[in-house]
Amino acid sequence: QSALTQPASVSGSPGQSIAISCTGTSSDVGGYNYVSWYQNHPGRAPKLIIYDVDSRPSGVSNRFSGSKSGNTASLSISGLQAEDEADYYCSSYAGSSTVVFGEGTKLTVL
Amino acid sequence: QVQLQESGPGLVKPSQTLSLTCTVSGDSIASGSYYWSWIRQPAGKGLEWIGRFYIIGDTNYNSSLKSRVTISVDRSKNQFSLKLSSVTAADTAVYYCAREPRRTFAAASKYYFDYWGRGTLVTVSS
Repeated sequence: QSALTQPASVSGSPGQSIAISCTGTSSDVGGYNYVSWYQNHPGRAPKLIIYDVDSRPSGVSNRFSGSKSGNTASLSISGLQAEDEADYYCSSYAGSSTVVFGEGTKLTVL
Repeated sequence: QVQLQESGPGLVKPSQTLSLTCTVSGDSIASGSYYWSWIRQPAGKGLEWIGRFYIIGDTNYNSSLKSRVTISVDRSKNQFSLKLSSVTAADTAVYYCAREPRRTFAAASKYYFDYWGRGTLVTVSS
């Protein structure tokens, strides 16, 4: 059960759009529509921002969106804001009632 | 508002057992609507799912940790606990507890975590 692959860092200017990829295999990301994304500000509890590939929990800004193609899922953030600067993690069901996470991506808002 | 709070020793000696507790407020562990999980993050690395517990006693564990992990619940205190035995420096990490919604018509998780604690750092060192 290997960690999902994410870019170590991405950056963008306020107002711009960015995307973070999350690559797995047909045994996890590609095999199930159970991909979720979490935002983690240092010292705070991680926050669920996307579940079931493209669903947003109540209260999460519609600037956040998710998608999946094959073994790669993506998180898109539009209209970047300073408060979006954080670490982002993807997660996927990996079969046999197990979950695997991504390595994490640090988003810098320039 | 649902809140989870991890607690336990911040320093554990190698070969000993790491013990952490997660106190849940704003929800009842015994409600049966959720699974309760532990997740960890070693410094500079990604998140790692450790395992989950369901109130009727069902547990699932990460296969890489299964031989050393036990997750249990204390209904009277609305808490659930993690025990990780025979720890080494590789077990040094921030440990999080989290809530997983349960499927309505199937005995399974929805495989995402809707509420998390802030995490607690556990260092394994002599």
